[in-house]
Amino acid sequence: DAGVIQSPRHEVTEMGQEVTLRCKPISGHDYLFWYRQTMMRGLELLIYFNNNVPIDDSGMPEDRFSAKMPNASFSTLKIQPSEPRDSAVYFCASSVDNYGYTFGSGTRLTVV
Amino acid sequence: AQSVSQHNHHVILSEAASLELGCNYSYGGTVNLFWYVQYPGQHLQLLLKYFSGDPLVKGIKGFEAEFIKSKFSFNLRKPSVQWSDTAEYFCAVNFMDSNYQLIWGAGTKLIIKP
Repeated sequence: DAGVIQSPRHEVTEMGQEVTLRCKPISGHDYLFWYRQTMMRGLELLIYFNNNVPIDDSGMPEDRFSAKMPNASFSTLKIQPSEPRDSAVYFCASSVDNYGYTFGSGTRLTVV
Repeated sequence: AQSVSQHNHHVILSEAASLELGCNYSYGGTVNLFWYVQYPGQHLQLLLKYFSGDPLVKGIKGFEAEFIKSKFSFNLRKPSVQWSDTAEYFCAVNFMDSNYQLIWGAGTKLIIKP
């Protein structure tokens, strides 16, 4: 099993540009989570899906953030337009029945 | 609301010292308990977990944790730390009443002096 796969590993973009982060969960996992980690705020849950359906997006900072899960093997997190304060490491995680998570390697986003 | 508390934000130890990191949660019902580790520049990895059974749980790399239900605690221990244990450690809890959504502690940064 390849684990949770995220791409890209690093992204540097200019303020105002659209950024799309991608995640492939572990096959058979029915939950998918998007987290953001910063030094100031620690680990924050942005949104999670169950069977491809968004369940709780209360952690999404604002309307500039959107997430989709068109099928069981793929999810995207989009920021449009991006701002410097969005700079962080974004982690995707998946799990079976919400019992403990397997994390991807993360995407380090830098907005300049 | 359910919460998870980690008592120390930073811990500094010398190699070979014993380690105990505290974790308490604010709920008396059914829970699942986890410790995750994040090495510098890496993602979170599962260290150990408790669902039921023996409250003393053995994990990877010589770590263990004890679930004490009466104290709502799940402290992480290691008898002798190594420099390579330098990392951030997160306690997390599934609460049954929250559809088992995982609630995270704030993390403890552990620095081991060689």
